Amino acid sequence: EDQVTQSPEALRLQEGESSSLNCSYTVSGLRGLFWYRQDPGKGPEFLFTLYSAGEEKEKERLKATLTKKESFLHITAPKPEDSATYLCAVHGTDKLIFGTGTRLQVFP
Amino acid sequence: GAVVSQHPSRVICKSGTSVKIECRSLDFQATTMFWYRQFPKQSLMLMATSNEGSKATYEQGVEKDKFLINHASLTLSTLTVTSAHPEDSSFYICSAFGTGNYEQYFGPGTRLTVT
Repeated sequence: EDQVTQSPEALRLQEGESSSLNCSYTVSGLRGLFWYRQDPGKGPEFLFTLYSAGEEKEKERLKATLTKKESFLHITAPKPEDSATYLCAVHGTDKLIFGTGTRLQVFP
Repeated sequence: GAVVSQHPSRVICKSGTSVKIECRSLDFQATTMFWYRQFPKQSLMLMATSNEGSKATYEQGVEKDKFLINHASLTLSTLTVTSAHPEDSSFYICSAFGTGNYEQYFGPGTRLTVT
């Protein structure tokens, strides 16, 4: 059964304190791993797609990496505006399977 | 990236009534759209896959007669919650594949409150 597990559930960081979010997955036939950002009361905002182990993508203070078993979302020198829930999803056979997300709070 | 809109953003209805939520792809054509439901502090749960010109495919446990989905054109899918109950109160989000890839783009969501 396709499964996605994210950790930690919640993360509190001081502004400028870098950290990483983890997404572990098991899926038959990975068609892509996706990272989304979701602010309260809004739909998920697309961040990255990773398709194969070893792939990396960057956007501003965020960097996503992928192995055969997990993905990391690295946040470098975060700012308060990076506070949000970060969702990981894998596209398996026919649909997206979402993890439960990591709620990130960055305080000044 | 592709833009998906939803209408309304918020709706309050009384128990027993029906409410329709629209999902539109604004700058691309979407043969497939997806409807999700999200409870507070929980992740997205896929309810159904909406296919243009054919019947929707519902996930296990989702009542197809209660959550009516119509995908009448390449840019519009609608979700109608029939005979709404308070337990149907939730955040409903639609999405669609971007052109030529497996990336899903999400609408802003609709907050449904049934009183």
